[in-house]
Amino acid sequence: GAVVSQHPSWVICKSGTSVKIECRSLDFQATTMFWYRQFPKKSLMLMATSNEGSKATYEQGVEKDKFLINHASLTLSTLTVTSAHPEDSSFYICSARDSVAKAIYFGEGSWLTVV
Amino acid sequence: ELKVEQNPLFLSMQEGKNYTIYCNYSTTSDRLYWYRQDPGKSLESLFVLLSNGAVKQEGRLMASLDTKARLSTLHITAAVHDLSATYFCAVYNAGNMLTFGGGTRLMVKP
Repeated sequence: GAVVSQHPSWVICKSGTSVKIECRSLDFQATTMFWYRQFPKKSLMLMATSNEGSKATYEQGVEKDKFLINHASLTLSTLTVTSAHPEDSSFYICSARDSVAKAIYFGEGSWLTVV
Repeated sequence: ELKVEQNPLFLSMQEGKNYTIYCNYSTTSDRLYWYRQDPGKSLESLFVLLSNGAVKQEGRLMASLDTKARLSTLHITAAVHDLSATYFCAVYNAGNMLTFGGGTRLMVKP
C-alpha cells in the first residue's frame, strides 16, 4: 500500500480562494518532504523542500507568499495555494524521504483546477 | 548545478520490439532512480541504482548505471502495450534532493 498519502486527489476552487493540500508519511517519520508541480506532458518541477520544524526552502522563482508550506510534524507537510488563480491549476506531487530506509516515496498527486 | 537529460523525449514502437532510453547527468551522484508515470497519476518507483555497474531487471525492463560515464539506461525488451507510459530518471544530488530528467513518453502500438 501507499506509504505517502496525499489529500485531496482532486480539487476545484474559485479564483481568489485558498486551497490546502496535505502530504502524510504513513509508515515512517519524514524530516524532509518535497513539493513538486507538474504541467501537462512536462517533467516534475521542484517547488520547495519542506523541513520539519523550520522554514521551507523554496526554489528560485517560486513565490513563498503564494505557496505556503508548513511541516509541523514528522509525518505531515501541507501546501497552501493562497489567492489561487487559473494559472495555478496544475498537478501537485509531494514526496517524503525515509532516512532510515534511504528511500524517497511519492504521494498520489493532487489535481488543482482554479476556475 | 546538476542537469539530467533523457533521450528520446518521445518514442513510438511496435509490440515485440526492443529499445533503450538513455539518461545522462552532469555531476557525480551515488543514486539514480527510474520512475513510471501513467496519465493523470503520480510516479511509480521502478528501480533504484546505487553503484557503478548496477543492473536491475523487472519483467521486460532492465536498468543499468555507469557512474563513470554518468549514464543510466532503461532497456525495454519485447515491448507490450501495457508498457505505454512516461518514464523518468531522477538523480539524487548533494542537496539530498532529486533532479528529474525531462521524461520519455513511450507509446507501444499493437
